[in-house]
Amino acid sequence: AQTVTQSQPEMSVQEAETVTLSCTYDTSESNYYLFWYKQPPSRQMILVIRQEAYKQQNATENRFSVNFQKAAKSFSLKISDSQLGDTAMYFCAFMKLSGGSNYKLTFGKGTLLTVNP
Amino acid sequence: GAVVSQHPSRVICKSGTSVKIECRSLDFQATTMFWYRQFPKQSLMLMATSNEGSKATYEQGVEKDKFLINHASLTLSTLTVTSAHPEDSSFYICSAQTGGGLQPQHFGDGTRLSIL
Repeated sequence: AQTVTQSQPEMSVQEAETVTLSCTYDTSESNYYLFWYKQPPSRQMILVIRQEAYKQQNATENRFSVNFQKAAKSFSLKISDSQLGDTAMYFCAFMKLSGGSNYKLTFGKGTLLTVNP
Repeated sequence: GAVVSQHPSRVICKSGTSVKIECRSLDFQATTMFWYRQFPKQSLMLMATSNEGSKATYEQGVEKDKFLINHASLTLSTLTVTSAHPEDSSFYICSAQTGGGLQPQHFGDGTRLSIL
């Protein structure tokens, strides 16, 4: 079974600064996807960024980028130029690409990020 | 696009009653829907996966007679918590996916269920 660990329950950052959220995972799979989801106070989960394990290049989506270290099974999220609207719970998630057509997400416990003005 | 509506957003009811939660894909056809449960300060735990027109596949440890899932159309799935008890109190979230496989999951706003 896969496990996803987010070791930082809470973090805070000043507006316009950069913050990095940590995520490690454990799997014996070689082919998988990793995700960061954002859950703002309104509660709807939103996909922030996605990384395919077979790609060495780190994914980037505007102010959001990841540092994917496959050998270390680490997948951190960097948020640059933090904005007040980035305040949310951030979940790291793993999806293995085997075992059928319904690919399931395994989530970490989340990191509550607060962006301070 | 890709809006998922979940209803109700909050429900409070007495122990022993059954509660139905609806999950609708508003602007796309959801061939697959997922139901999650989220405890305070915990991650989302997948309860079951349902493909339209098929019986739901439940995760280990989830009672299928307790949590009835129906996915009768491409835009609607329902989760019924039967004979709910206080330990069933939780936040329930659905997600919907079109085409299956690696297509992104679109999440609903969630339902806060409180059993007195």
